[in-house]
Amino acid sequence: DGGITQSPKYLFRKEGQNVTLSCEQNLNHDAMYWYRQDPGQGLRLIYYSQIVNDFQKGDIAEGYSVSREKKESFPLTVTSAQKNPTAFYLCASSMTGTQPQHFGDGTRLSIL
Amino acid sequence: AQSVAQPEDQVNVAEGNPLTVKCTYSVSGNPYLFWYVQYPNRGLQFLLKYITGDNLVKGSYGFEAEFNKSQTSFHLKKPSALVSDSALYFCAVRDITYKYIFGTGTRLKVLA
Repeated sequence: DGGITQSPKYLFRKEGQNVTLSCEQNLNHDAMYWYRQDPGQGLRLIYYSQIVNDFQKGDIAEGYSVSREKKESFPLTVTSAQKNPTAFYLCASSMTGTQPQHFGDGTRLSIL
Repeated sequence: AQSVAQPEDQVNVAEGNPLTVKCTYSVSGNPYLFWYVQYPNRGLQFLLKYITGDNLVKGSYGFEAEFNKSQTSFHLKKPSALVSDSALYFCAVRDITYKYIFGTGTRLKVLA
């Protein structure tokens, strides 16, 4: 079945540590996105990429980094510079045109 | 700047009654509008979209939405609510750079 796989489902970060969240899609979608979800704040865009080897900052990119070396993969690194990383992180992908986004089932990141 | 507003944090409705979840938008140009549903600890699932054409859009699970250009609204509706419809609902607008702007979400609670 085609879809988006996020791993791990739960992740714990120690102070000063970088952690990487995985996002893989087999939908052959061009665009991929990372969102952060906090209670009562909806989804906020961290980074997005429309093609391989290119990506743009979203509204809350500080403390995060991404890469897009392959069409199917868009990993997100939460760096130690992100002082409040506890949140639910969602990855999505879409074709260009008028098709909707498809979402993974998220990674919940917590601080130890 | 494009934006989406969901004025109600929570909507309560009795099972079998009609439901409405409100969404208003602000865009330049033609709006590309979407509704998604989220169940606990899951990603968002696409319900329906408005791109152009008929103002009444039909989607998944018996949901529909009414596009009103003069009121810049895109309210989600269902004629008869089910307890299983209880979830978090998001309205979103897509801009010309393929960024999606989400509302803050409305929690729907259907009471048996």
